[in-house]
Amino acid sequence: KQEVTQIPAALSVPEGENLVLNCSFTDSAIYNLQWFRQDPGKGLTSLLLIQSSQREQTSGRLNASLDKSSGRSTLYIAASQPGDSATYLCAVDNAGNMLTFGGGTRLMVKP
Amino acid sequence: NAGVTQTPKFQVLKTGQSMTLQCAQDMNHEYMSWYRQDPGMGLRLIHYSVGAGITDQGEVPNGYNVSRSTTEDFPLRLLSAAPSQTSVYFCASSMGETQYFGPGTRLLVL
Repeated sequence: KQEVTQIPAALSVPEGENLVLNCSFTDSAIYNLQWFRQDPGKGLTSLLLIQSSQREQTSGRLNASLDKSSGRSTLYIAASQPGDSATYLCAVDNAGNMLTFGGGTRLMVKP
Repeated sequence: NAGVTQTPKFQVLKTGQSMTLQCAQDMNHEYMSWYRQDPGMGLRLIHYSVGAGITDQGEVPNGYNVSRSTTEDFPLRLLSAAPSQTSVYFCASSMGETQYFGPGTRLLVL
């Protein structure tokens, strides 16, 4: 059974800092890995999707990497802003649109 | 497009009551799914559907029923609510690999 773990569970940083969120998974036979953002009381917004054959994806200040063999992914956020404050969720797709989620990292960026 | 919509936003039930959580999407997506989100446990898949008339169980299906009579709608039914079903429920849809989530329904079972 796939298990997804995210570390740290919570993170507080000053504005402008570069930061890395970590995600690990136990079964490397994946279709893709996705990073989502969730604001309090809201649904999930897809940020980046990395195919199993890819090593990384970039969107603006966000960069996600994937090391399938070691079961790890990182989400790098450059020059963090208070508007980046949210919970970030990592999810692994093992069987075609059936996602296994990590518990999330709650990020607070202080002005 | 409205995307994925869910109703109601919040509901309080008594143990043993039944209810239906509604989910609709206007993007003509074939794949739809239901997840529940509990504190510290992330989201877990309840049921999913790959098209009208086709449904299957996810990781935590017990206590929930689904049907898919149209491409647009995918309701989730609780036949006899239990306190363990207190959670936030999210519906999602996709055509390819990117999933679009609704705003969620917060359910409290007393």
